[in-house]
Amino acid sequence: TQLLEQSPQFLSIQEGENLTVYCNSSSVFSSLQWYRQEPGEGPVLLVTVVTGGEVKKLKRLTFQFGDARKDSSLHITAAQPGDTGLYLCAGDHNAGNMLTFGGGTRLMVKP
Amino acid sequence: DTEVTQTPKHLVMGMTNKKSLKCEQHMGHRAMYWYKQKAKKPPELMFVYSYEKLSINESVPSRFSPECPNSSLLNLHLHALQPEDSALYLCASSQGQGAWNEQFFGPGTRLTVL
Repeated sequence: TQLLEQSPQFLSIQEGENLTVYCNSSSVFSSLQWYRQEPGEGPVLLVTVVTGGEVKKLKRLTFQFGDARKDSSLHITAAQPGDTGLYLCAGDHNAGNMLTFGGGTRLMVKP
Repeated sequence: DTEVTQTPKHLVMGMTNKKSLKCEQHMGHRAMYWYKQKAKKPPELMFVYSYEKLSINESVPSRFSPECPNSSLLNLHLHALQPEDSALYLCASSQGQGAWNEQFFGPGTRLTVL
């Protein structure tokens, strides 16, 4: 079983603070996706990273793929209440049809 | 059209009922997926269809029966479900095999089994 460990599991912060979410595996990914999910809705794709060392930015969100393609991070700058939700990382280990999901990080940003 | 749609949004059924969940995409994707998600957990893969053929069945009980009528449609037929089957059922699609296995999810069907 390919494991993808995501941390922290839960994060409660004040508006304006910065935060980082991590995804780690002992295996190499061919690609890794980050999703954000609100209660009762489906996950929404935020970004896909495929190249080791790659950094992608989406407004206040910065995504980084580790050089060895075994880990990834999501950094949010100046968090806002609208960032509240479940953040999921999901990796594809063999360029196939199966994604391995991390356990998720539940983020709450208080005004 | 970059959307995956699912119907119904909510479904309540008894253990003796037969119902179906529907999923549709018009992105030309050739892989479609069914996931089950319990509260505060990540999605769990149930089935994968690749080029309209069932390629992965993650040991799902036979009371769940998938069907792919064509490349745009995916159904999940439900029969004799148990209360523990209550969950959010998510459909997703992707282009197919390759390095960029980006999966796009629908809004889900919230299923309650009484």
